[in-house]
Amino acid sequence: EAGVAQSPRYKIIEKRQSVAFWCNPISGHATLYWYQQILGQGPKLLIQFQNNGVVDDSQLPKDRFSAERLKGVDSTLKIQPAKLEDSAVYLCASSLGDRFGEDYEQYFGPGTRLTVT
Amino acid sequence: KQEVTQIPAALSVPEGENLVLNCSFTDSAIYNLQWFRQDPGKGLTSLLLIQSSQREQTSGRLNASLDKSSGRSTLYIAASQPGDSATYLCAVRGNTGKLIFGQGTTLQVKP
Repeated sequence: EAGVAQSPRYKIIEKRQSVAFWCNPISGHATLYWYQQILGQGPKLLIQFQNNGVVDDSQLPKDRFSAERLKGVDSTLKIQPAKLEDSAVYLCASSLGDRFGEDYEQYFGPGTRLTVT
Repeated sequence: KQEVTQIPAALSVPEGENLVLNCSFTDSAIYNLQWFRQDPGKGLTSLLLIQSSQREQTSGRLNASLDKSSGRSTLYIAASQPGDSATYLCAVRGNTGKLIFGQGTTLQVKP
């Protein structure tokens, strides 16, 4: 079974530029998550999708971050314009779960390391 | 608001030692608790998942315990090996599926 795929693996941009990350979850997984992991910290959930609907985006900086999962499969996360503090690893995860409270394990991709200079 | 804290932030031990990593959380109303391993440049690998009704889980040389009432979990690693060197993350889950992570403990096992 293929795992969660993410691209690119690394990205270096200047502040005020825009960037997009792509995630392809495990086949059949209804739930998709984007996390931000700043160096030395644990991952922080940015947005959670259930199929193509948003479940939780309470910690997504909506003035500059956007995400979509139009067909309920793969997803893109965009930052526009980027700030220095956006330098982090962006992790995508997926799980089978399609209900609140269901106990489905999250599987993580390798992440995209973003450096904003 | 749930907060998860891991102590220590970093740990260095000689090969063969038994060690304990600590995780504490502020809100005991959790659905489950999970321990992950993260290698440099890699994603997260799930090690152990403990349901809120369970007290411990074991996998090979790893044993994780959970005391919900006190808001604590420990990850015990027996007979540590250099290949165990990694960052270990603790995460608690509420009933919406959202994982709240601690900041991690970076472990180095020296040959």
